[in-house]
Amino acid sequence: EAQVTQNPRYLITVTGKKLTVTCSQNMNHEYMSWYRQDPGLGLRQIYYSMNVEVTDKGDVPEGYKVSRKEKRNFPLILESPSPNQTSLYFCASSPGTENTIYFGEGSWLTVV
Amino acid sequence: QKEVEQDPGPLSVPEGAIVSLNCTYSNSAFQYFMWYRQYSRKGPELLMYTYSSGNKEDGRFTAQVDKSSKYISLFIRDSQPSDSATYLCAMKRTGRRALTFGSGTRLQVQP
Repeated sequence: EAQVTQNPRYLITVTGKKLTVTCSQNMNHEYMSWYRQDPGLGLRQIYYSMNVEVTDKGDVPEGYKVSRKEKRNFPLILESPSPNQTSLYFCASSPGTENTIYFGEGSWLTVV
Repeated sequence: QKEVEQDPGPLSVPEGAIVSLNCTYSNSAFQYFMWYRQYSRKGPELLMYTYSSGNKEDGRFTAQVDKSSKYISLFIRDSQPSDSATYLCAMKRTGRRALTFGSGTRLQVQP
């Protein structure tokens, strides 16, 4: 079954404590990206990756890092989380055309 | 001003009604238009995709794009309680990978 798997699904953390949200896809997709979803703002892209070792900033990259060492994995790193990063995060992958995007189930992150 | 505007709802309709969901946008460079459906606590799933202006039909769903008015619509015929979800419009410019999303309209179909 085609899947984008994110972990953890739910996390409460404290300001400044580094955390990583993992993302893995089993569809051999080249393109992967991270979005955050906030009430009234919709989905906004944080970072994306066109392929292994190729990453670039999206619309709201501040406070986030990513890496793409393997094709299937695209972790999102929050080096020093702040309360304004409390959000619902989605990892997504695509075979190469942005119009067909597969989303993960989402990760609810609360920073206190 | 947001590039894509979408009424957040909620929109409540009786089962069997025809539902009309809409988005307006300001950037004439958008060429690809999509509708996603998102159930509570789930990721968005692609419903419809259209390129440039025109209509596209898939079962009970019809997507319309009017580029001259910068207006897109999704129609749902014979709506069912299982259609209750948030519907997100999304758009893309040629040559850019990122999608620009509307904020979503919450639809409730009452049995």
